[in-house]
Amino acid sequence: EAQVTQNPRYLITVTGKKLTVTCSQNMNHEYMSWYRQDPGLGLRQIYYSMNVEVTDKGDVPEGYKVSRKEKRNFPLILESPSPNQTSLYFCASSFRARTGKRETQYFGPGTRLLVL
Amino acid sequence: GEDVEQSLFLSVREGDSSVINCTYTDSSSTYLYWYKQEPGAGLQLLTYIFSNMDMKQDQRLTVLLNKKDKHLSLRIADTQTGDSAIYFCAESMGGTGRRALTFGSGTRLQVQP
Repeated sequence: EAQVTQNPRYLITVTGKKLTVTCSQNMNHEYMSWYRQDPGLGLRQIYYSMNVEVTDKGDVPEGYKVSRKEKRNFPLILESPSPNQTSLYFCASSFRARTGKRETQYFGPGTRLLVL
Repeated sequence: GEDVEQSLFLSVREGDSSVINCTYTDSSSTYLYWYKQEPGAGLQLLTYIFSNMDMKQDQRLTVLLNKKDKHLSLRIADTQTGDSAIYFCAESMGGTGRRALTFGSGTRLQVQP
């Protein structure tokens, strides 16, 4: 079954304690992305990756890191989490968009993070 | 810059039609999408429309696009309680690389029995 998986689904942590949220897709997609969802703000892109070893900042990258060592995995790293990073996080993947072609992103189920 | 706006909340009775509206600012948008998010779940692509189309119908869903006014709407006919969810519109410029999708803030649809 084609899917995007995220782990953990729920996480409570304390300020400053490093954490990693994993994301994995089994569709051989080039493009992967992380979003955070906050009430009234919709989804905002944190980081994205066009392919292995190619990553770049989205709209709200501060306080986050990512890596793309393999095509299927795109972990999100919070080196020193702060309470303002309490949010719902979604990973998404797709084939790389080509000019004029339709973009279909597949979303993971989400990770709800609470930073105390 | 790119901006997508939606109203935050819509309440309808079961069996009525729902119309969720969205406005966007980027005239170079190529595709516009509607995603559905059920409680505790990720986003599910409902439908999309290419920017050179005015209307697209898919079973109970009708998407209308007014490119001049940069206005997109999603009509759900015969709304059911299972349609209760948050609906996001999104735009893309197709192939620009940096960001595939720009999302609105989402409209919460509540369907009352």
